[in-house]
Amino acid sequence: ETGVTQSPTHLIKTRGQQVTLRCSSQSGHNTVSWYQQALGQGPQFIFQYYREEENGRGNFPPRFSGLQFPNYSSELNVNALELDDSALYLCASSLPRGARDEQFFGPGTRLTVL
Amino acid sequence: KNEVEQSPQNLTAQEGEFITINCSYSVGISALHWLQQHPGGGIVSLFMLSSGKKKHGRLIATINIQEKHSSLHITASHPRDSAVYICAVIQGGSEKLVFGKGTKLTVNP
Repeated sequence: ETGVTQSPTHLIKTRGQQVTLRCSSQSGHNTVSWYQQALGQGPQFIFQYYREEENGRGNFPPRFSGLQFPNYSSELNVNALELDDSALYLCASSLPRGARDEQFFGPGTRLTVL
Repeated sequence: KNEVEQSPQNLTAQEGEFITINCSYSVGISALHWLQQHPGGGIVSLFMLSSGKKKHGRLIATINIQEKHSSLHITASHPRDSAVYICAVIQGGSEKLVFGKGTKLTVNP
């Protein structure tokens, strides 16, 4: 059974650019959630996908978008990057009950926006 | 005021000490998670509970739904327990987790 993986590990972008982060879910999990964690803060919920459909969204602007693929891997896309987007981005996969099931987190992608 | 508050923010202990980390929340919840985050970012789920108490090895988690409070206890602490411990709640009727800011625990040998 493989765990949750994320790529890339680290990424540096400049303001205004676009970025795509990737997440591969744990085998058998069809729900994925994305979180943003600023330095010294707890994670903040961005959105959740279940069976390729968005299934809940946090307080993030539309320039944060996502996709989930038939194999349950997932992408987080951020357009028009701002300095405040610098953070650790975490994905977590789970069974269909989402947050009411155990969450399996990936190691995260650390994004720096200059 | 954050919906999920943890205390203390930072905690330093000597190896062998009994540790308690507290979590209070202000919203109705369906369940609560305790998570452990090591330097570098990886997060591991420790417990998910909606009532009573759970135990796993040296870790014990309790929750009092009426008082909107949960505690994480570590018995016989060890330097390898050093990490950030995060409480997260599932708001009733929602699919999203709301996280506390975490408690940074350092256990010295």
